[in-house]
Order: sequence, then structure tokens, then C-alpha cells
Amino acid sequence: QVQLVQSGAEVRKPGASVKVSCKASGYSFTRYYIYWVRQTPGQGLEWMGIINCSGGSTSYAQKFQGRVTMTRDTSTSTVYMELNRLRSEDTAVYYCARSPWPIYYVDFWGQGTLVTVSS
Amino acid sequence: AIQLTQSPPSLSASIGDTVTITCRANQGISLALAWYQQKPGQSPELLVYDASSLQSGVPSRFSGSGSGTEFTLTISGLQPEDCGTYYCQQFNSYPLTFGGGTKVEIK
Repeated sequence: QVQLVQSGAEVRKPGASVKVSCKASGYSFTRYYIYWVRQTPGQGLEWMGIINCSGGSTSYAQKFQGRVTMTRDTSTSTVYMELNRLRSEDTAVYYCARSPWPIYYVDFWGQGTLVTVSS
Repeated sequence: AIQLTQSPPSLSASIGDTVTITCRANQGISLALAWYQQKPGQSPELLVYDASSLQSGVPSRFSGSGSGTEFTLTISGLQPEDCGTYYCQQFNSYPLTFGGGTKVEIK
């Protein structure tokens, strides 16, 4: 069955970086795209960007441009999302989410990773 | 960015009731809309895509309709397991955006 298993919760200080992983299984990794979506109590669900798991190309939401990097490792079917220069407003649950096309719906979500930014 | 406004923000209904949730876009998005259900402590799950196509495995009491700027999700015969928060999402253009959510509770 399809699984997207994310890395565990993280705590960071303001200004630091965090890297969240998302390991895919149960399907052909390179035939899908992965979005990263975060959820905060104040902002709800927020799309951060997309990575093409085949070629590795990315597109980021303007809000995160310059602070986020998405990469993938086809040998381990794993996608990574790194967010830099963290601030308290980045405290959120971060989800990786599978999509069959670059701009489409999400048909499967990871379990989420809580990132807490606090001094 | 395309803004999606959901209404109502919350509702309380009885088992067996028909529940309707609305999602309005601030510009036309054709049929590029999906609906998700999120239960407390869980990830969202896809219910409907392309405005009215039911995802495999989703009970037939869920249905979606609409096009352009106004969309609805209907639950025909509310069940206890339907409590949670429902979100719409547009995929007409980047950045993908979500509605603010509608929390459904059982009376």
C-alpha cells in the first residue's frame, strides 16, 4: 500500500534550519510529484512548493522563495524539505503529499512532522 | 493568489441530516477543485477531485458540485464518522491554495 513516512518532530531556535524527510513506498516513486504543505492554527493549510520526483525540478511558493529547498533521492525514494532562517511563525505541522500531476489535487498525505521554533 | 472562502466555518448537525458546505473562489477556476476531510490528529484525506469526481473508496453519501467560482460539498445522511474539518483546494494555478475549513460536529 502507498506510504509516505515522514521524519520525527523537531525543535529549533529562531534563525536555525530544519530538514524534514519523506520516504515513499508502495508505488512507483518517479511517476508522481510531491508537494509540501504546512498547517498552522492561524494560517490553516499552506502550499509551500512541489518537486518532480523524476527529474528533480522544483517550484516554490513566492512566500518561501529563498528560504526553502526541496530535493529527492531516487535511490531511496525519499524527498527532503529544508527550511532556513526559521522564525516563530514557522511553527507548524509539515506534510509531504503526493500528486499525480504538477498542478493537481493530493491523493495521499504523509503523517505530518511538527516543527517547533522557539528560543 | 486565488482565495477560497468556505462557509460556514462550523456547523452542528444530527445523524442522518444532509449537510452542505460551500467554497467560493475569488476568480474562476473551472472544475479545478478538490475537497478533503481531516479528522483530529490525522492527515487530510481526499474526498472529491475535479469538483465532482468521488475518490475511490469514499462513501457515496459524499458528493461535490459546482464550477467557476462556486462549489459545494454535500454529505447526504451524516454519519458519526463524518465529524472533522473539511477543506477545499484549488489547482487552477500556482500557488495552490486551500479554504479556511469547515468544522462539522454531530449534535
